[in-house]
Amino acid sequence: LAKTTQPISMDSYEGQEVNITCSHNNIATNDYITWYQQFPSQGPRFIIQGYKTKVTNEVASLFIPADRKSSTLSLPRVSLSDTAVYYCLVGDLPLTGGGNKLTFGTGTQLKVEL
Amino acid sequence: DADVTQTPRNRITKTGKRIMLECSQTKGHDRMYWYRQDPGLGLRLIYYSFDVKDINKGEISDGYSVSRQAQAKFSLSLESAIPNQTALYFCATSEGQGANEKLFFGSGTQLSVL
Repeated sequence: LAKTTQPISMDSYEGQEVNITCSHNNIATNDYITWYQQFPSQGPRFIIQGYKTKVTNEVASLFIPADRKSSTLSLPRVSLSDTAVYYCLVGDLPLTGGGNKLTFGTGTQLKVEL
Repeated sequence: DADVTQTPRNRITKTGKRIMLECSQTKGHDRMYWYRQDPGLGLRLIYYSFDVKDINKGEISDGYSVSRQAQAKFSLSLESAIPNQTALYFCATSEGQGANEKLFFGSGTQLSVL
C-alpha cells in the first residue's frame, strides 16, 4: 500500500497560488495519484487525478515528475472558499477485489485569509 | 438533489442501542463504501460492496454490519452502539476501474453515542 506524506497545514492569502506537495516514494507502476478536497461537515470531493507529467482542469493543476515519487497540487489564485482539507491518495489497485484500498491520511489543512 | 444521500444527518443514541444509517445513490454505480472520520485520523474504511449482496470488510469493521439489498442502497448498522463509535460517517460510491477509480461522497451522518 503506497504511503503518502503531505504537510499538515498551510496558510495563504487570497489571490495567491498555492502548491501542496505530496510524497509517495513507493508508488507502484499501476498507481494513479488522486486529490480530494473536504470542507467541514461535508464529504470529500474529487479534485483531480493523474498518472504522469501534468494534468489541468477547471479547478487545479497536478504536476507529477518523471520518477512519480511526489506530486504537487496547484491551486491558482485561491479565495477564502478554498479553505479546506486536501487529501493526496495513491492507490495500489484501489478498492478492487484484490483487497487493496485507497487510504485517506490526515490531509493538508489549507487556510486562506484576506 | 444530491447524488449520494445519507440519512439521518445527525443522530444521538445511547450505549447498547441498535441503529442503522442509510445511504442511497442515483449515480447508478455498482460500488459503494462506508467510511468513518474521527478528528485527526482522516477517513477509515468500514465496509465496501462491489455489487448487490456483495459485502467486504474494510480496516475497521468490528462492531458494524452492512446490507446491500439493491444497487442504489447500502445501509450500515451498529448492533450495539458504544461511545467510541461516535464519529462522522460517510457513504460513497465510485466509478472507474482499477487504479483510476474516483469516489463520490455523501454529506455525512454525525453520530453521537452517549
